[in-house]
Amino acid sequence: EADIYQTPRYLVIGTGKKITLECSQTMGHDKMYWYQQDPGMELHLIHYSYGVNSTEKGDLSSESTVSRIRTEHFPLTLESARPSHTSQYLCASSPSWLQGQPQHFGDGTRLSIL
Amino acid sequence: AQTVTQSQPEMSVQEAETVTLSCTYDTSESDYYLFWYKQPPSRQMILVIRQEAYKQQNATENRFSVNFQKAAKSFSLKISDSQLGDAAMYFCAFLLLSGSARQLTFGSGTQLTVLP
Repeated sequence: EADIYQTPRYLVIGTGKKITLECSQTMGHDKMYWYQQDPGMELHLIHYSYGVNSTEKGDLSSESTVSRIRTEHFPLTLESARPSHTSQYLCASSPSWLQGQPQHFGDGTRLSIL
Repeated sequence: AQTVTQSQPEMSVQEAETVTLSCTYDTSESDYYLFWYKQPPSRQMILVIRQEAYKQQNATENRFSVNFQKAAKSFSLKISDSQLGDAAMYFCAFLLLSGSARQLTFGSGTQLTVLP
C-alpha cells in the first residue's frame, strides 16, 4: 500500500504546455525529493526539500521548479514542456537524515512530450 | 563528490539459484549508509536492504544479504533461492551523513532476469 502518491501515472502532451506533476505523502515526512530517470538508467536528483518553504536544486540541472507550501505536498512544474523533458519522474520522501532513513518512493510519472 | 558504480547492466539467474550483484563506490568520508533498492517494471522503488558503514557485520534480510568491504569500497548484494518475483532493476545507493545536502546517490542499475 503506497503512502506516497504521484499523479498522473502517465502523461502525453504537446510541446509548450505547462505541466504540473503532483506528489503527496501521508507519512508526515519532512524531506521530499524529485528524481528524473530515463528508461533503464540511473536516478538523478533534480530537486529536494527539507521542509515547508525549503527547496533546493539537486545534482542534475533541470528546467523544472518545485514548491513546498504544505508538508505533505511537493509538486513539480514545467512552465513550457519540450521533447527533452520526456522521462520518468519519481517522487520520494524520508523522515530524517540523521539516522540514514531510507527514502520511500512513489510509483512515478511517465512523461512524454510530443 | 560521491560516485556509485554498478558494472553489470544485466544479470540472469536460474530460479532457486544464487546470484550476486556488484556495487562499488567512491568516497573520502567514513560515515555513511549504503542501500540496495529494487524497482520492478513500472512499479515503485522498494528498499531491499541497508548497511551502516560503521558496522562490520554484513546486513541480512531473509534471502538477501550483502558483502560489505569498507576498505575496498565494495557493497555486493547476494540473493539466495532466487524467485520469479525477484526479477527487477536493482539500484545500489549511497547516503552521506555529513555536509549540507543529504540525498541518495544512485548507481546505474542492474537488470536482473530470473529464469524459470
